[in-house]
Amino acid sequence: GESVGLHLPTLSVQEGDNSIINCAYSNSASDYFIWYKQESGKGPQFIIDIRSNMDKRQGQRVTVLLNKTVKHLSLQIAATQPGDSAVYFCAQTGGGNKLTFGTGTQLKVEL
Amino acid sequence: DGGITQSPKYLFRKEGQNVTLSCEQNLNHDAMYWYRQDPGQGLRLIYYSQIVNDFQKGDIAEGYSVSREKKESFPLTVTSAQKNPTAFYLCASSIRDRGLLEQFFGPGTRLTVL
Repeated sequence: GESVGLHLPTLSVQEGDNSIINCAYSNSASDYFIWYKQESGKGPQFIIDIRSNMDKRQGQRVTVLLNKTVKHLSLQIAATQPGDSAVYFCAQTGGGNKLTFGTGTQLKVEL
Repeated sequence: DGGITQSPKYLFRKEGQNVTLSCEQNLNHDAMYWYRQDPGQGLRLIYYSQIVNDFQKGDIAEGYSVSREKKESFPLTVTSAQKNPTAFYLCASSIRDRGLLEQFFGPGTRLTVL
């Protein structure tokens, strides 16, 4: 079945450093890959998506990289801030008009 | 303010009771979704609706039921048939042409069955 998993459950970074959150996926047929951010006690919030025919997309302080050869997705956050502390989920589109979410990576920003 | 609301934030019920979770959106979104989130796991899709008076089962629909009588509302009923109902429930909505991609989530309802 489809699965989306993350390499590291917890990532600690110093404020101001860059963060890289990784994700492995299994469904090669997905059209889109998406990153969501979930702060404690809140619902997830859309960050950025990337179409399967692209290998890089940039947003405000974030960059998503897609490597279809090794089925790997990453989210890079530049100049990480305390407000970036959250759980980050990758997700991919799949059959039946639904998303498959990964288990999440906790990002902790140390002052 | 436009947004998606869920109520209540915390809900306690006795085992064997049905309970209905509310989800309302004023974003004029066509599609609405219900997810369940358990500790250390990603979101799992329970039901979704792409248009009023129509809905489809997600990956874990057993023990749940929904209705979509109005565009703004998508209530979820957790029935006594759901074996392990204690979880964090998230409702989401999206516009049709961004349907799967940019889903707007509510704040969630944490259901505890005693």
